Amino acid sequence: AQSVTQLGSHVSVSEGALVLLRCNYSSSVPPYLFWYVQYPNQGLQLLLKYTSAATLVKGINGFEAEFKKSETSFHLTKPSAHMSDAAEYFCAVSAYSSASKIIFGSGTRLSIRP
Amino acid sequence: DAGVIQSPRHEVTEMGQEVTLRCKPISGHNSLFWYRQTMMRGLELLIYFNNNVPIDDSGMPEDRFSAKMPNASFSTLKIQPSEPRDSAVYFCASSQAGDQPQHFGDGTRLSIL
Repeated sequence: AQSVTQLGSHVSVSEGALVLLRCNYSSSVPPYLFWYVQYPNQGLQLLLKYTSAATLVKGINGFEAEFKKSETSFHLTKPSAHMSDAAEYFCAVSAYSSASKIIFGSGTRLSIRP
Repeated sequence: DAGVIQSPRHEVTEMGQEVTLRCKPISGHNSLFWYRQTMMRGLELLIYFNNNVPIDDSGMPEDRFSAKMPNASFSTLKIQPSEPRDSAVYFCASSQAGDQPQHFGDGTRLSIL
């Protein structure tokens, strides 16, 4: 079975500061890992995905995430926050062998202070 | 390419009425998912289909909810009778099989009075 835990339901950073959103996963088989972003009144959009290739994954809008098996983590980072990054972010995991079903975390709301 | 298309975008109806939500997945995608999102419960998977066949409906809250996928390009989620606690945003998503991510529609915001 797979599960994902996002630490912190709300994160607030200043514009230009580092963004760090934490995600830990649990999976009995090699996982696929995803980060999605949701802007107000919209569906979820894929930011990036890890599928057993490079452990450092680069996504859209300057975001990246690093897969660390020893820590069972897949934290999302961005060196310099922009006001347009304010949104809800979801970490998700699926099983390598049945990747159709994705388990989503509870989400982290990112606020950007001017 | 067109994304996942959901209709209606907003629905307001009185309790007891039947509600039908519609979804057109991305062409070529063979998996389709229905989710419900609320402040209290977050994003919940209700049901998903592979090749038009329901695979897992364990997330469907009760018998008032039903979903169909008569062909590869159309799915419906029906609530009958509707109740105020069904108020939520309902998302449809589709994906190709394997390691491909899901593509979400913009959702239907449902309010049951």
